[in-house]
Amino acid sequence: DADVTQTPRNRITKTGKRIMLECSQTKGHDRMYWYRQDPGLGLRLIYYSFDVKDINKGEISDGYSVSRQAQAKFSLSLESAIPNQTALYFCATSASGPQYFGPGTRLLVL
Amino acid sequence: AQSVTQPDIHITVSEGASLELRCNYSYGATPYLFWYVQSPGQGLQLLLKYFSGDTLVQGIKGFEAEFKRSQSSFNLRKPSVHWSDAAEYFCAGDNNAGNMLTFGGGTRLMVKP
Repeated sequence: DADVTQTPRNRITKTGKRIMLECSQTKGHDRMYWYRQDPGLGLRLIYYSFDVKDINKGEISDGYSVSRQAQAKFSLSLESAIPNQTALYFCATSASGPQYFGPGTRLLVL
Repeated sequence: AQSVTQPDIHITVSEGASLELRCNYSYGATPYLFWYVQSPGQGLQLLLKYFSGDTLVQGIKGFEAEFKRSQSSFNLRKPSVHWSDAAEYFCAGDNNAGNMLTFGGGTRLMVKP
């Protein structure tokens, strides 16, 4: 079984809809991250959490929110999706060292 | 500002040829540096990391990278490329052991038969 899982893997939604992307990990790591990937821009950090009670904005947090429900779960929400949020979203975890990534969620906002 | 730059967006090499992917960094102090690979439809897999010490770092899948402080570079190399190496490669850096990564824009590698 994968150490970092993301659901859904693919999602199509419409402008204005609320959507939640979920991430779970079995690595026992305290630190979790959400990134988005756009062609030519690499990965950019949206939010990160160093433990259950810690939430921090990253480089591009506008339009997004997160919830750290447990050590193993970190969800990303788009309150009102817009087309320029169409991207590939990755969750990652770490234990003070390299980050380990999930398989990604491909989101299309129409 | 801290940054990581990958100058080459696309690279094409023939199978069996050697490979070098470039990565330049801009940090005030010596950063922690990483190379990740993303195969189509997959997440990012860690190839190797540099924290300190020996400047030539060995990774998985036959890859290595060399940290050169004088050139602010951390280039990824492989002596003989296989068709399965076709993927996108990301260099990333951080001042805090990998907790706050800054990624380069990626280099897409294509391998010709």
